[in-house]
Amino acid sequence: GDSVTQMEGPVTLSEEAFLTINCTYTATGYPSLFWYVQYPGEGLQLLLKATKADDKGSNKGFEATYRKETTSFHLEKGSVQVSDSAVYFCPRDDKIIFGKGTRLHILP
Amino acid sequence: EPEVTQTPSHQVTQMGQEVILRCVPISNHLYFYWYRQILGQKVEFLVSFYNNEISEKSEIFDDQFSVERPDGSNFTLKIRSTKLEDSAMYFCATTAWASGEQYFGPGTRLTVT
Repeated sequence: GDSVTQMEGPVTLSEEAFLTINCTYTATGYPSLFWYVQYPGEGLQLLLKATKADDKGSNKGFEATYRKETTSFHLEKGSVQVSDSAVYFCPRDDKIIFGKGTRLHILP
Repeated sequence: EPEVTQTPSHQVTQMGQEVILRCVPISNHLYFYWYRQILGQKVEFLVSFYNNEISEKSEIFDDQFSVERPDGSNFTLKIRSTKLEDSAMYFCATTAWASGEQYFGPGTRLTVT
């Protein structure tokens, strides 16, 4: 059935490193795609979204492009900060499956 | 910016007791959800609610659970007889339309002793 596959964590990087967290989907149609972030001790919040193919979502230095040809929506950031340490989730627009997410840990 | 609020922030209860967790959605939102997250684990869908009815529920949402919107503002999750394994963070989320992004509350930490 339709699903999203997200990179397993944890991911540990040094500050200012380049980040990629992979997310691929299978779908018969063209779902909206999201990245949510959960900072320690907090609820989930929307980080960015894309509603159609070739859309690029961006926020707080993070970007993700909805690529129909590779069915992907990978999250990228050019230079991560310690404050980016959090858990990142990539659900579809049916939104029901958030899963474990990818835990990101940035070392100072 | 409008936000979803949840009360209480932390609830401690004894096994077998009933608890009610409350959520105040963003005022023009129509779709409501409950999720839970056991410490350090995945975010699990419990139930979605629209037009005063359950739209969808997971296998976790058994007869011990119920939801309602008693006064047109609060959206509540009731656990009838809590078990130790119900200890988790419970998050409420709301959206303005069916495929829009979800706005999450800060969560209620439920501890069952």
